Amino acid sequence: SQKIEQNSEALNIQEGKTATLTCNYTNYSPAYLQWYRQDPGRGPVFLLLIRENEKEKRKERLKVTFDTTLKQSLFHITASQPADSATYLCALDIAGNNRKLIWGLGTSLAVNP
Amino acid sequence: DAMVIQNPRYQVTQFGKPVTLSCSQTLNHNVMYWYQQKSSQAPKLLFHYYDKDFNNEADTPDNFQSRRPNTSFCFLDIRSPGLGDAAMYLCATSRGSGSTDTQYFGPGTRLTVL
Repeated sequence: SQKIEQNSEALNIQEGKTATLTCNYTNYSPAYLQWYRQDPGRGPVFLLLIRENEKEKRKERLKVTFDTTLKQSLFHITASQPADSATYLCALDIAGNNRKLIWGLGTSLAVNP
Repeated sequence: DAMVIQNPRYQVTQFGKPVTLSCSQTLNHNVMYWYQQKSSQAPKLLFHYYDKDFNNEADTPDNFQSRRPNTSFCFLDIRSPGLGDAAMYLCATSRGSGSTDTQYFGPGTRLTVL
C-alpha cells in the first residue's frame, strides 16, 4: 500500500541545536517533494521544494535532502530558535496525479530556550 | 499584501443546519483548493477548481459542495453538517497545477457542530 510517514513522536530540542525531521514514503514515485510549516490554528506555509534529481536544497537555516533510493527526505533546521516551534509537514507531488499533493501527518517540533 | 483570506475564522453551526465558508484571494491564481483538516491529521483534499473546471475527490461526501463564481472567490457549502464534519477547513491557491506551483493557504475556518 502507499504510505507517507513522518516522525510520529514530537521532537524536543534545545535552542541552538540542529533539528532533523524525517519523511519516508513507500510505493510512490514523487517527482517533487515539498515541506510546509504549520502553526496551531493556522494554514500551512510553504518552505522548500526539492526535485527528484536534486540531492539537497538550502534556504537560510533550512536544508532539505531527497534520496529517491531510500525513499526519504530529511528536513534540517540549523541553529534552531524557539520561534521555529511548529508542526512541519512534508507533501509529495506525484507526477500524473493532477499535481495534487499527498500530505504527511506532520512532525511537531518544540525548541526549548 | 496579496493573500488568501477566509471568513469567518470560527463558525459554529447546529447539526443539520447548512453552512457556507468563504475564501477569497488576491493572488490571481488559477487553482483554488478546499481541504479538511482534523486534529493531528494531514490535510485532506475535498476538491479543487482549475479556473472554472471543478475536480471532486472520489471520497468527498455529497454533503460537501463548492462554488467558484469568479477567479477571486470560492465557497464551501456543507448542506447538512454532522458532528463528524467538525474540523478546520483550509482554502489554498496555486498559480497552476505544475509541480513547482506551490500552494498558498489561508488561515482556515474552524467549524464547530453542536
